[in-house]
Amino acid sequence: DGGITQSPKYLFRKEGQNVTLSCEQNLNHDAMYWYRQDPGQGLRLIYYSQIVNDFQKGDIAEGYSVSREKKESFPLTVTSAQKNPTAFYLCASTPERRRINEKLFFGSGTQLSVL
Amino acid sequence: AQKITQTQPGMFVQEKEAVTLDCTYDTSDQSYGLFWYKQPSSGEMIFLIYQGSYDEQNATEGRYSLNFQKARKSANLVISASQLGDSAMYFCAMQGNAGNMLTFGGGTRLMVKP
Repeated sequence: DGGITQSPKYLFRKEGQNVTLSCEQNLNHDAMYWYRQDPGQGLRLIYYSQIVNDFQKGDIAEGYSVSREKKESFPLTVTSAQKNPTAFYLCASTPERRRINEKLFFGSGTQLSVL
Repeated sequence: AQKITQTQPGMFVQEKEAVTLDCTYDTSDQSYGLFWYKQPSSGEMIFLIYQGSYDEQNATEGRYSLNFQKARKSANLVISASQLGDSAMYFCAMQGNAGNMLTFGGGTRLMVKP
């Protein structure tokens, strides 16, 4: 079945450490997105990519970095500059550039916690 | 800028009854889309229903319907005949034009009582 796979499901980060969250999709979608969700809150956009080798900052990009070397992969690195990284991270995709009626397809998420 | 407001942090509903989850939005775009997603405790986001700003009919998908009142800028989700499996977080979201990304509300936690 086609879908989005996020790994790991749970991740722990030590102080000063960079960690990378994996997101892979086999839907042949052009656009991919990373969202952050804090407890009891909605989703906020970190980064998005509409095509390979191109990506744009979202609303809360500081302390995060991404790459898009392959169409099916959009890893997110949480750097040591992100002082409050504990959150639930969701990866999503759409067939192509965002249009008004295009729903997002989501992965199952990664819970990141700081040790 | 786009903004989505969900004023009900948590709600209870009796099994088999209907429930309405509120959503108001603010945008200067003339054309936009409104979405509802369900997030069970497992964490994944499940698409429920979509309403376009120019759609004349309210959207329906099985037990889900969207009460769209454009002049009031509201897009309430109605769930009929609630089931225990409907217990989850529900998010309203909006996609405007001009390349804006999807904006989410803060969510409503729905709890269905047996």
